[in-house]
Parts: sequence; C-alpha cells; structure tokens
Amino acid sequence: GQQLNQSPQSMFIQEGEDVSMNCTSSSIFNTWLWYKQDPGEGPVLLIALYKAGELTSNGRLTAQFGITRKDSFLNISASIPSDVGIYFCTCAGGTSYGKLTFGQGTILTVHP
Amino acid sequence: SQTIHQWPATLVQPVGSPLSLECTVEGTSNPNLYWYRQAAGRGLQLLFYSVGIGQISSEVPQNLSASRPQDRQFILSSKKLLLSDSGFYLCAWSVLVGGRNTEAFFGQGTRLTVV
Repeated sequence: GQQLNQSPQSMFIQEGEDVSMNCTSSSIFNTWLWYKQDPGEGPVLLIALYKAGELTSNGRLTAQFGITRKDSFLNISASIPSDVGIYFCTCAGGTSYGKLTFGQGTILTVHP
Repeated sequence: SQTIHQWPATLVQPVGSPLSLECTVEGTSNPNLYWYRQAAGRGLQLLFYSVGIGQISSEVPQNLSASRPQDRQFILSSKKLLLSDSGFYLCAWSVLVGGRNTEAFFGQGTRLTVV
C-alpha cells in the first residue's frame, strides 16, 4: 500500500533559524502537497507540486518535487513564532486514485 | 467558492452510544470525500474515502462506518462507541482535474471524547 515517511518527527528551533523537512514514498506519485495544522484546526494547504523537479516558493516557504517522483522537501527560512504547528506531506496520483494518505507529521516548535 | 462544513465541533459521548458526524461540501460537484482521525495531535489516519455517491473505501478495520447518501454529504457513524474512538475527526474534499487528484481542503474538525 501507499507508505509515506516524513522526517524529522519534531524540531525545536530558535526564531530566525531555517527549517528543513522531507517526505519519501514507496511509490511514484504525480502530486505532492504540504500542509500546516495549527492546534485544534484542520490542516491548511501551504504548497502544491504537480511536476517532477518542480521548485515552488510561497513567501518564506520553498518546496520541491523530487526528480524520482518519490520524495519532496519543505524548507522554511527565517522562522517566526507563528510557524509553530504540525506540518504534513501527502501525495496523490499514480495508482492511488482518489486516495490521499498523509505522512506522520513534523511538529515544529519555535522559541522566541 | 467552495466551502466545507463539519459538525459538531466538539462531542462527548458515553461508551456504547451511537455516533453520527456529518460533513457537507458546497460549491463543487462530484468531490472526493475523506474522513481522517487524528490522535494526540499527531498523524492523520485515513479512515474512509469516497469517489462517488454510495462508493466507500475503508482503510482501517474498526467499528466505524461511513456513508455518502448525496454527492456532497459524507457521514461517519458508529453503532457503539469505544474509548479508543476518542480523537479529532477531520473531513476533507478534493476534486479530480484531468484525472489528477488536486489538493484536499479540510473542515474544522470534531473533537470526540468517549467517556
């Protein structure tokens, strides 16, 4: 079945530091998505990637769709306290028609 | 624009009682619909997904069930709740564009506590 490995599981950083997290899959997909979840809320889409090798930025966030179509990373530059939350990756397409499975999540804590 | 409604926001139910959580989507047609459960603020566990009316795929065997009586309505149910059913339940929708699954949009979630 579809398996996603997301790392690291948690990060404790100082405000202003850069953050990097990644996701790998056991299968090939044609869509990678990165979400952020604030406490008590539903996840919100940060960045969507639809093409292998694609590098996309959204403000301080940058994400890339790996060439092999089996991995993706998300970078956050110059972290701020409101970056705190859980970050999830997910991928879709390939043989997983209609199905969206998420990685285990990366819990980010930012110390002022 | 599309919106997703999920209710109730919080629910406290005794063990053995039934459950019905409802989710509706507005502003789109023939969406893919999903139910996820999140325990202890961690990963999102896919419980059920549906690609059409009456079509339900179950990902995790358990005492929960899902139904899709209308195109934009997705219901999560249980006949008898267990303590282990406590958690944060999230409904989501996505659409296929050119055969490709697009991003999922989530409801605000239901915090279920079984006591």
